[in-house]
Amino acid sequence: KAGVTQTPRYLIKTRGQQVTLSCSPISGHRSVSWYQQTPGQGLQFLFEYFSETQRNKGNFPGRFSGRQFSNSRSEMNVSTLELGDSALYLCASSLMAGNNEQYFGPGTRLTVT
Amino acid sequence: AQSVSQHNHHVILSEAASLELGCNYSYGGTVNLFWYVQYPGQHLQLLLKYFSGDPLVKGIKGFEAEFIKSKFSFNLRKPSVQWSDTAEYFCAVGLEKLTFGTGTRLTIIP
Repeated sequence: KAGVTQTPRYLIKTRGQQVTLSCSPISGHRSVSWYQQTPGQGLQFLFEYFSETQRNKGNFPGRFSGRQFSNSRSEMNVSTLELGDSALYLCASSLMAGNNEQYFGPGTRLTVT
Repeated sequence: AQSVSQHNHHVILSEAASLELGCNYSYGGTVNLFWYVQYPGQHLQLLLKYFSGDPLVKGIKGFEAEFIKSKFSFNLRKPSVQWSDTAEYFCAVGLEKLTFGTGTRLTIIP
């Protein structure tokens, strides 16, 4: 069974731009969660989607948004990029919402210059 | 809000030494508990989990963890580490969403 895939793997953007990251969950998994990982803050929860609906949201500004499609694939968008948004963005999938046994993808490394 | 503390930021051990990594959490209710591992250049992988039942749980690669409810702790142990255990270890707590600790970097010296 294929694991969680994330595209692109690396991205360089300029301050003020926007970016869209993509995540394909493990086949059959219907919940997708997103995390931001930085050396200073560690892993921080962004949001979780299940059945195309956002179920939970972390403490991030409204510039961070996401969505989920009917095939469970998910995208997250960051608008008006800031230098502090440079991070590894991880996607994790699980069978059901609230099922915390999550399987992580390799992440997208975003660098904002 | 729930929080997770991993007090050891970097642990260095020789091969065959015993390992214990601390994890404490603050949350008054029932939570699920996890340890994840991130080997160099690889994804986060689930090592073990505790949902309910026997507080001593066994995971992959010889790791185990003990849930002590009265201490709000879920420490990770391994009796004899190997060089291949060099990685970063994350404790996580949650029900609806996961809260991660800041991680412990483990370096094993051959």
